[in-house]
Amino acid sequence: EIVLTQSPGTLSLSPGERATLSCRASQSVSSNSLAWYQQKHGQAPRLLMYGASSRATGIPDRFSGSGSGTEFTLTISRLEPEDFAVYYCQQYGSSPETFGPGTKVDIK
Amino acid sequence: EVQVVESGGGLVQPGRSLRLSCTASGFNFGAYAMSWVRQAPGKGLEWVGFIRSKAFGGTTDYAASVKGRFTISRDDSKSIAYLQMNSLKTEDTAVYYCTRGMDGYTGYDDYWGQGTLVTVS
Repeated sequence: EIVLTQSPGTLSLSPGERATLSCRASQSVSSNSLAWYQQKHGQAPRLLMYGASSRATGIPDRFSGSGSGTEFTLTISRLEPEDFAVYYCQQYGSSPETFGPGTKVDIK
Repeated sequence: EVQVVESGGGLVQPGRSLRLSCTASGFNFGAYAMSWVRQAPGKGLEWVGFIRSKAFGGTTDYAASVKGRFTISRDDSKSIAYLQMNSLKTEDTAVYYCTRGMDGYTGYDDYWGQGTLVTVS
């Protein structure tokens, strides 16, 4: 099983600042099969990125993903008020699919 | 508009069974894999399992924590996926989300329902 580790656990930033979230895998993720999800309190998760760097439909271009192998990054270039949420990475290239523990981005 | 709606959650005693349903609309249900993901109160996301489309044999896979107790099935004529949960444990308490896979095989989850709460107590 591929274990995903996300850092930091909590990121405290102000609107307009840049957010950099990390996701590290215990072994190489097949074909960069890495996705990112955003979850706001009381809501279902929403797909942001897939294939490590492709934005899902309707996701603004301030969100970008990068990385390969075992190291992946989600960057939010300028935080908007609606971006404060919990972010999860997921690998779907190997069974079982696994999620990281999440990074909470909150308002400083 | 793509929609998936879960139903069937509730309070159930340990050792009993419960069946969740996931009703889909707005897309060709039979062409996609469907998955279940759960989230215990205040915790992160946990993949439960998936069922592939008939084109990929309708095969299933499960997390180790539920294998042998949970079964996923689908009725393409009704656009419904099911999660049959047997021998429930208190640690199965969670919000259960139904998701659509990126294609018929599996992959990332591009649409999620709002979830249904299962409480085992």
